[in-house]
Amino acid sequence: DARVTQTPRHKVTEMGQEVTMRCQPILGHNTVFWYRQTMMQGLELLAYFRNRAPLDDSGMPKDRFSAEMPDATLATLKIQPSEPRDSAVYFCASGPSGANVLTFGAGSRLTVL
Amino acid sequence: AQSVTQLDSQVPVFEEAPVELRCNYSSSVSVYLFWYVQYPNQGLQLLLKYLSGSTLVKGINGFEAEFNKSQTSFHLRKPSVHISDTAEYFCAVSGATNKLIFGTGTLLAVQP
Repeated sequence: DARVTQTPRHKVTEMGQEVTMRCQPILGHNTVFWYRQTMMQGLELLAYFRNRAPLDDSGMPKDRFSAEMPDATLATLKIQPSEPRDSAVYFCASGPSGANVLTFGAGSRLTVL
Repeated sequence: AQSVTQLDSQVPVFEEAPVELRCNYSSSVSVYLFWYVQYPNQGLQLLLKYLSGSTLVKGINGFEAEFNKSQTSFHLRKPSVHISDTAEYFCAVSGATNKLIFGTGTLLAVQP
């Protein structure tokens, strides 16, 4: 089965450090989404891309978060500097345009001490 | 703006009993509706979707949901649950942009 691959699966870091999470979407999918899941806020949409172009990143704290797609096989989410409140599970999802169905990765669990 | 409401944060049920997980949505345009399931320490898996056509949709693992436009609801049902159905269930809505907006989730706790 085709799958969305996220790395790292787990990351523990100290406050102030830079964190980069990576996502390999399913080949042929041209929409990519980043979600953050916490107990308090549930699933929040951070950013999404279509054909590698960012369409909406209004859910993302601009001062410390950035999301990019250097190429069609890689999406990155970077936090610099990280803070304890960034501790969460970050999910990447991809989908074919127009199909309205997303496939999610297994997530990257981030703990900022 | 689109939104989803899942009123029940947790639904306890005995094994082999029927279950209904409630979902209501709001949207000013045509919507697509989804149910995703999340098992502990895993990602989200699509359970079923309503895009158009028949209002009763069937998904994996014996689940089904009915789209009710007049009541703006998309409740999830299963006639007989199993212990392995214990998981978090998320209702979601999207429009033309594929952007999924999720509800807060309902924990289905199946007891023996």
